[in-house]
Amino acid sequence: DAGVTQSPTHLIKTRGQQVTLRCSPISGHKSVSWYQQVLGQGPQFIFQYYEKEERGRGNFPDRFSARQFPNYSSELNVNALLLGDSALYLCASSLAEGAGGYTFGSGTRLTVV
Amino acid sequence: AQSVTQPDIHITVSEGASLELRCNYSYGATPYLFWYVQSPGQGLQLLLKYFSGDTLVQGIKGFEAEFKRSQSSFNLRKPSVHWSDAAEYFCAVAGVLTGGGNKLTFGTGTQLKVEL
Repeated sequence: DAGVTQSPTHLIKTRGQQVTLRCSPISGHKSVSWYQQVLGQGPQFIFQYYEKEERGRGNFPDRFSARQFPNYSSELNVNALLLGDSALYLCASSLAEGAGGYTFGSGTRLTVV
Repeated sequence: AQSVTQPDIHITVSEGASLELRCNYSYGATPYLFWYVQSPGQGLQLLLKYFSGDTLVQGIKGFEAEFKRSQSSFNLRKPSVHWSDAAEYFCAVAGVLTGGGNKLTFGTGTQLKVEL
């Protein structure tokens, strides 16, 4: 079985640009969560989606948005990129919206220059 | 709000030695606790989790963790470390979102170095 798939694996963007990151959950998983991991820190929660509805949002500005599609895949969008947005963005999927078990993807490394 | 503290930023052990990584949490109710491992440039792999029941939890790769409510701790242990265990280790606690979902709150991580 395929695990959680994230694309692209690496990305370089310029300040002020917009970026879209993609995530495909494990087959049968209906919940997708996004986390930001800045170098040297633990991951920070950004969003959780379940059955295409937002279940929660972390302490991130409105420049960050996300959505979940009918096939349960998800996109994370970040507008007006700042240098501080440089990080590893991790997607995690789970069967339901509970914390029973999250499987993480390998992440997208975003560098803003 | 929940929080996790991992007091040790770096730990170095010799191969074959025992290992204990510390984790303290803050959470109002019975916590759901996790340990994840991250190799360089990789995502997070779940080592073990505690939801309820037996306070000693067995995980993959020979790891175990003990939940101690009185100390608000969930320390990770391994009796004999292998060179391949060198990685960063994260402790996390699950919290309920107002929208009905859950989020993980992670500690800052402990970087494990294994000396041959």
